[in-house]
Amino acid sequence: DAMVIQNPRYQVTQFGKPVTLSCSQTLNHNVMYWYQQKSSQAPKLLFHYYDKDFNNEADTPDNFQSRRPNTSFCFLDIRSPGLGDAAMYLCATSRGLRDEQFFGPGTRLTVL
Amino acid sequence: DAKTTQPNSMESNEEEPVHLPCNHSTISGTDYIHWYRQLPSQGPEYVIHGLTSNVNNRMASLAIAEDRKSSTLILHRATLRDAAVYYCICTDNYGQNFVFGPGTRLSVLP
Repeated sequence: DAMVIQNPRYQVTQFGKPVTLSCSQTLNHNVMYWYQQKSSQAPKLLFHYYDKDFNNEADTPDNFQSRRPNTSFCFLDIRSPGLGDAAMYLCATSRGLRDEQFFGPGTRLTVL
Repeated sequence: DAKTTQPNSMESNEEEPVHLPCNHSTISGTDYIHWYRQLPSQGPEYVIHGLTSNVNNRMASLAIAEDRKSSTLILHRATLRDAAVYYCICTDNYGQNFVFGPGTRLSVLP
């Protein structure tokens, strides 16, 4: 089945140790998004790629970066994780910016 | 960007209809209204979206007020599986400003 896959589902890192989260899609969608969702809060958009064009939300900290080497894969890099970065990270895709978004199951990040 | 307001929580009995309201009084003429829901321990999933006219799909119906300042998501027969947080989101014509509000937590009672 076509889908959005996130690996790993659970990630533990240490304070200040860089970590990379992975997202892949078999939908061949143009747009890929990264959201951060903290406990009992709504998802918050960090950034998105439309093809190779990167769009950063204004309030996304510099500590968060992303790479999209090809259509299928997108990575979220957290350069120096702090305790406040512990959250669920959700990847989503859509055909275009106005189209339905398909979400992956998320990666839960724990920072020790 | 149009902000949305929704009740924090609602309850419904199983097999009864549910009307989930959303206010978006600052919506502009070209903003779309989207609804997503998030089941426990899952990523959000698309429910329905519309611009001006009421919309129906296999999951739900979307009723949009004539002045577009509010909308209602209608689940025709709630099931236990419909227990989730329901988010109403307004975006511009280019899909920008896709901001999740706090959402409505729907509980379905057997």
